[in-house]
Amino acid sequence: QVQLQESGPGLVKASETLSLTCTVSGGSINDYYWSWFRQPPGKGLEWIGYIYYSGSTNYNPSLKSRVTISVDTSKNQFSLKLSSMTAADTAVYYCARATGRGDYDYWGQGTLVTVSS
Amino acid sequence: DIQMTQSPSSLSASVGDRVTITCRASQGISNYLAWFQQKPGKAPKSLIFAASNLQSGVPSKFSGSGSGTDFTLTISSLQPEDFATYYCQQYNSYPLTFGGGTKVEIK
Repeated sequence: QVQLQESGPGLVKASETLSLTCTVSGGSINDYYWSWFRQPPGKGLEWIGYIYYSGSTNYNPSLKSRVTISVDTSKNQFSLKLSSMTAADTAVYYCARATGRGDYDYWGQGTLVTVSS
Repeated sequence: DIQMTQSPSSLSASVGDRVTITCRASQGISNYLAWFQQKPGKAPKSLIFAASNLQSGVPSKFSGSGSGTDFTLTISSLQPEDFATYYCQQYNSYPLTFGGGTKVEIK
């Protein structure tokens, strides 16, 4: 059973850079696409971007200037960096796996990131 | 970006009721449509992919239909564990986008 686990700070100061890591267990990170999503408290879901195990990426244009997603296949992990954080970036951040069909089957439990002023 | 519009945004229903949620895409997305269930404090759970295919382990009381721009999710007989928020999501093109959600509450 594939499991994903997000890790990183729960509190980030405004203007700083958020760094989160998603660790994949129970399966290999190879041969799949992996995405980050987020959900502000009480609101809907937003796709941030994906990375393929080979390192190719695609980002949401609304966040593209601030986002970097990277992968470390040796550790079965991929990571998110989001710069210039503001209060609007306060959200639960999820990592997830895309199937070969393009839909998302496995999700992490999510981690709440709060931006403080 | 493709806009996904769900209706209703919330509904009240009783145990045993048949419930239908609608999702409309702002342009054609073929059948690249997924449905998720989300309970408070939990990650989204995938129910349906490719508009009408159940994910492994999802009970058959859930069904999906549609193609192009109009889609529906139906729960045939609502049970207590089904009270949650449901989201549709298109994966026809990037950026991936979600509907605003439908909260299913107990009447």
